[in-house]
Amino acid sequence: AQSVTQPDIHITVSEGASLELRCNYSYGATPYLFWYVQSPGQGLQLLLKYFSGDTLVQGIKGFEAEFKRSQSSFNLRKPSVHWSDAAEYFCAVGALSNDYKLSFGAGTTVTVRA
Amino acid sequence: DAGITQSPRHKVTETGTPVTLRCHQTENHRYMYWYRQDPGHGLRLIHYSYGVKDTDKGEVSDGYSVSRSKTEDFLLTLESATSSQTSVYFCATVPTPADTQYFGPGTRLTVL
Repeated sequence: AQSVTQPDIHITVSEGASLELRCNYSYGATPYLFWYVQSPGQGLQLLLKYFSGDTLVQGIKGFEAEFKRSQSSFNLRKPSVHWSDAAEYFCAVGALSNDYKLSFGAGTTVTVRA
Repeated sequence: DAGITQSPRHKVTETGTPVTLRCHQTENHRYMYWYRQDPGHGLRLIHYSYGVKDTDKGEVSDGYSVSRSKTEDFLLTLESATSSQTSVYFCATVPTPADTQYFGPGTRLTVL
């Protein structure tokens, strides 16, 4: 069965510091990979996605993610965090073998301190 | 973002009552999904639809039913609400499965 793991439930980072959120998945085939962000009381907004091609993908708000097939990972990074980046982040994975239905990780909550 | 609305946005109901949540989209997307979001679980798929009158179960479908009589509307029904169905419910749409899902604003349901 497919699964998505976000090992870090909560991360606290200082404003201006770098951020990395981890995502690991277990899938048999090449997956489609997504990162979504959710601000409190809001819906989910797409940050970036990987379908194929260059394994380093750029997203909105200065985020990037790298697909590493050998490690079954799709980690999200931002070089310098802003206070507005405080939110919950979800990694999601889909694959042809499952009709591209998405499986979500449990989420990582990011707190930004001044 | 896709034009997706959900109604109601908030609802409090009592155990045993029926509840229907509505998802409406203006993008003419063929595929629609209902998820529930609970702390520590991320989003879990309840039901999905791949066209008018074509629906299928997701991983947490027990206690829920859906209907889709028009492309733009996807209804989620709790026939007899239970406290375990207290959650935030999200609808998503996509033109084809191998594409980006866009999410509605969510419905917060509390079952007392």
